[in-house]
Amino acid sequence: NAGVTQTPKFRVLKTGQSMTLLCAQDMNHEYMYWYRQDPGMGLRLIHYSVGEGTTAKGEVPDGYNVSRLKKQNFLLGLESAAPSQTSVYFCASSYLLVSYEQYFGPGTRLTVT
Amino acid sequence: DQQVKQNSPSLSVQEGRISILNCDYTNSMFDYFLWYKKYPAEGPTFLISISSIKDKNEDGRFTVFLNKSAKHLSLHIVPSQPGDSAVYFCAARTGNQFYFGTGTSLTVIP
Repeated sequence: NAGVTQTPKFRVLKTGQSMTLLCAQDMNHEYMYWYRQDPGMGLRLIHYSVGEGTTAKGEVPDGYNVSRLKKQNFLLGLESAAPSQTSVYFCASSYLLVSYEQYFGPGTRLTVT
Repeated sequence: DQQVKQNSPSLSVQEGRISILNCDYTNSMFDYFLWYKKYPAEGPTFLISISSIKDKNEDGRFTVFLNKSAKHLSLHIVPSQPGDSAVYFCAARTGNQFYFGTGTSLTVIP
């Protein structure tokens, strides 16, 4: 099993450009999450999904959109990137009602100039 | 406002001794707490968790203690090993959302 994978690993964007980060999991998990990690801030939840076709806002959702068209994939979109979105983005997944532990991907380092 | 706080950014411990990592929280609605370990350039990995109805949970060298009245939890690692050197995050759950602390970087000195 590959676990949780994220594409791409690194990306540099110019202000105003758009991009999509892809997260894929092969563990048949119901829940999926997108976090960002900034220096001195820990991980902050952007959006999450409790199942295929459903999404919800987390702690810091502004400037991001998400979609969960397939159970195994969770996409994070930036429509118009801003320097404040420079961060490391982590995707995670977890089982529903079995355990609250989350399985994390390796991260995507995004720089917006 | 940070609902989960780890006030010690770093900790150094001799190999074989006990490592104690601390975490404080403010939201009394948190019902589940977790510790994650993170190596550079990798995602966090789950270590141990505790429900709010318990005050202690043990797994091998790792023990988590929860003091609800003080809104405080701690992670004990005994004995500490050089491979334990990493950043440790505590996290707390309410509803479907998780809140993470800022992390404590543990260095275990051989």
